[in-house]
Amino acid sequence: AQKVTQAQTEISVVEKEDVTLDCVYETRDTTYYLFWYKQPPSGELVFLIRRNSFDEQNEISGRYSWNFQKSTSSFNFTITASQVVDSAVFFCALSELNEKLTFGTGTRLTIIP
Amino acid sequence: GAGVSQSPSNKVTEKGKDVELRCDPISGHTALYWYRQSLGQGLEFLIYFQGNSAPDKSGLPSDRFSAERTGGSVSTLTIQRTQQEDSAVYLCASRQGLAGVSYEQYFGPGTRLTVT
Repeated sequence: AQKVTQAQTEISVVEKEDVTLDCVYETRDTTYYLFWYKQPPSGELVFLIRRNSFDEQNEISGRYSWNFQKSTSSFNFTITASQVVDSAVFFCALSELNEKLTFGTGTRLTIIP
Repeated sequence: GAGVSQSPSNKVTEKGKDVELRCDPISGHTALYWYRQSLGQGLEFLIYFQGNSAPDKSGLPSDRFSAERTGGSVSTLTIQRTQQEDSAVYLCASRQGLAGVSYEQYFGPGTRLTVT
């Protein structure tokens, strides 16, 4: 069975600090996909990134970066120079070939101005 | 282009009544999913439609829940004889592509269901 663990329930940092959100996953499949979604106060889930299990290359998009390590079953998300607009709940999710998303419990990130 | 839309945005119903929730996926997306988000259970999968294949209903919590997708587009989630534990935000998502590749899913704004 697939499982996603986001051990950090809530994180608060001061604006301009860097922050890393942790995600650890469990799966028996060799082919799987990992995702991060953002849920701002408005409530709508916003897609951020998708990685497949065969691509361990890290990715950077502006102030956002992702570190995928199969050896530790982790897919961590770093925000550099955080801004107040980054405040949201962030979800990590896993999909095997059954294609259902299994979500972690989310990390509520608060950026303090 | 237009995203996933859901209606109504809010629904308050009395315990025991039936409710219907509607989802309009992104045009051209072949797959459609229903999830629900509640404080106690987090985000959980309910049902998945892919093209003309039989839907994956493995996440439906009871036989009071059903869903259909007409013409490969609009979907309706029906909850019969609603219970208070059905109170949650019901989210619809759609994605492009055929079965077997998990492209990203795009979510609608959700329907907040409150059962009194």
